[in-house]
Amino acid sequence: EVLLLESGGGLVQPGGSLRLSCAASGFTFSSSGMSWVRQAPGKGLEWVSSITPTGATTYYADSVKGRFTISRDNSKNTLYLQMNSLRGEDTAVYYCAKRCDSSNFFDYWGQGTLVTVSS
Amino acid sequence: EIVLTQSPATLSLSPGERATLSCRASQSVSSYLAWYQQKPGQAPRLLVYDASNRATAIPPRFSGSGSGTDFTLTVSSLEPEDFAVYYCQQRSTWPLTFGGGTKVEIK
Repeated sequence: EVLLLESGGGLVQPGGSLRLSCAASGFTFSSSGMSWVRQAPGKGLEWVSSITPTGATTYYADSVKGRFTISRDNSKNTLYLQMNSLRGEDTAVYYCAKRCDSSNFFDYWGQGTLVTVSS
Repeated sequence: EIVLTQSPATLSLSPGERATLSCRASQSVSSYLAWYQQKPGQAPRLLVYDASNRATAIPPRFSGSGSGTDFTLTVSSLEPEDFAVYYCQQRSTWPLTFGGGTKVEIK
């Protein structure tokens, strides 16, 4: 069974930093592209960032480019999202998602972790 | 950036009725479009990928069609568990983008 378990969310002040983790199991993590997708309260889905299986290539939404860094540790089956210079508009549930085969659709999602940016 | 526009925003239907959801892209995405279902408090679930391919374990009442800029998700006969929000997503071009969603509610 594929499982994705996010952690690391919480309350942070504007300008602060947070690192999210996503522990993966039930599939060959080192062969799978991974992504972060977020959802602001009561709003729709927004793609945030993606990383290739080896970690060699990363992609970012313009809204987070230069502030967020996606990374992975294939020896630990774990995906990360380092979030710096956080803003109120970054408040959202952050989902970790597994890429479907070789496409950039998402066939498995974690349960999400809530990040709240507020003073 | 490719903008995906979903319509209608809300669809009020009764169980057993047919639901037809639309997703229009601001430029061609070929067939690189997926549909997701999301229920309150839950993560999204992949229903259809590459416009018309049902994902694993998705019932045949869900079907997708379209190519280029116009896409449709059809639920042939709504079951009580189908009332949810549906999103489309394109993978043709970075950045990946989602539509704003269609809420299918019980009439």
